[in-house]
Amino acid sequence: GAVVSQHPSWVICKSGTSVKIECRSLDFQATTMFWYRQFPKQSLMLMATSNEGSKATYEQGVEKDKFLINHASLTLSTLTVTSAHPEDSSFYICSASSRRYTDTQYFGPGTRLTVL
Amino acid sequence: LAKTTQPISMDSYEGQEVNITCSHNNIATNDYITWYQQFPSQGPRFIIQGYKTKVTNEVASLFIPADRKSSTLSLPRVSLSDTAVYYCLVGSPGWAGKSTFGDGTTLTVKP
Repeated sequence: GAVVSQHPSWVICKSGTSVKIECRSLDFQATTMFWYRQFPKQSLMLMATSNEGSKATYEQGVEKDKFLINHASLTLSTLTVTSAHPEDSSFYICSASSRRYTDTQYFGPGTRLTVL
Repeated sequence: LAKTTQPISMDSYEGQEVNITCSHNNIATNDYITWYQQFPSQGPRFIIQGYKTKVTNEVASLFIPADRKSSTLSLPRVSLSDTAVYYCLVGSPGWAGKSTFGDGTTLTVKP
């Protein structure tokens, strides 16, 4: 139980294009979903928190117009990196939590984004 | 917002028991303590979670003293495949207080 998937696992795009990353909780309904970014040899940095049907809450310094988050259902959240630039290249990881699982965060496998 | 502090790195040998301690001095009353394991280019994997005293599952034990200002993850008889980064995460139900990953502990298991 408590499986979270991400798609795609990796993506390469040209500078200026937009990229969408999907995060799904496969066997539970996620009360809350989180998006993290991780640079090489660094820890995970929380970007935003989203609850189903409501707007995401972004961390300080994260541009909400650049990183669009849509939590359309209890099992799906999407992160869209708009007008991507090389400095957006990173490892993006989502997690989902549910009161059924005592609010433990379960993480997806991550998405490697490379912007050329 | 509970800040966590862990040793940056630890070395061990196969078959040994490894204990990794995390400090969380400003843990809140409702906060749980969760430990994760992360391999390169993968998402963190849940290991164990606890609130107080001791919790044990099939892969690890978690020891939490009465004041809850620290916690210790114990990995019995480690193997080479346990080489990874280990994070402790402190947060309350609903994550209203959010969660911040510390720097984690890089565990290297040697043959």
